[in-house]
Amino acid sequence: SQQGEEDPQALSIQEGENATMNCSYKTSINNLQWYRQNSGRGLVHLILIRSNEREKHSGRLRVTLDTSKKSSSLLITASRAADTASYFCATEDSWGKLQFGAGTQVVVTP
Amino acid sequence: GAVVSQHPSRVICKSGTSVKIECRSLDFQATTMFWYRQFPKQSLMLMATSNEGSKATYEQGVEKDKFLINHASLTLSTLTVTSAHPEDSSFYICSARNEGNYGYTFGSGTRLTVV
Repeated sequence: SQQGEEDPQALSIQEGENATMNCSYKTSINNLQWYRQNSGRGLVHLILIRSNEREKHSGRLRVTLDTSKKSSSLLITASRAADTASYFCATEDSWGKLQFGAGTQVVVTP
Repeated sequence: GAVVSQHPSRVICKSGTSVKIECRSLDFQATTMFWYRQFPKQSLMLMATSNEGSKATYEQGVEKDKFLINHASLTLSTLTVTSAHPEDSSFYICSARNEGNYGYTFGSGTRLTVV
């Protein structure tokens, strides 16, 4: 079953702009992870935030987690055309299973 | 970094035949691997958890006799789609959990087309 809802479903921005996408989930989690998928390819792990963390940074990525609202956001700053991809949040439960959100398709135009 | 090799990347097969997909962790051992299915422009749906040396655990609604999973070693899990039908056409992705760095590494996926 699918755990999370993501919004927006699609996002089109220009290079240099920031891209923000949100993820909501339903059950308790150990951590929440964000992945990137280029068309027809596998997933690349971007960042993991644990349930006791509220914010995390990695390069141009900033992730927040609000466990009271069961939501997370991913911010990509100063976007580049190479950031064009689909982005998925995934929650890890106590069994080690990942459940993915619906994904946000991001298009960055030069 | 951790690498998971998935083969084949693309396969076309006839209805009624079986197809085997391999998922191999190249530089780490994975006691647990996962198999996902993804339809176009949709999210990944977990099919089953593959456990080294024991039976796979299937998600609700996934036919275990149709999707055979074998995890015979700490670096290899295979998914066999038996008696394939056109509705089995999809993108299948495996992932392996790296116990060392608490991360999941994904294979590059297999595009299965059943004609």
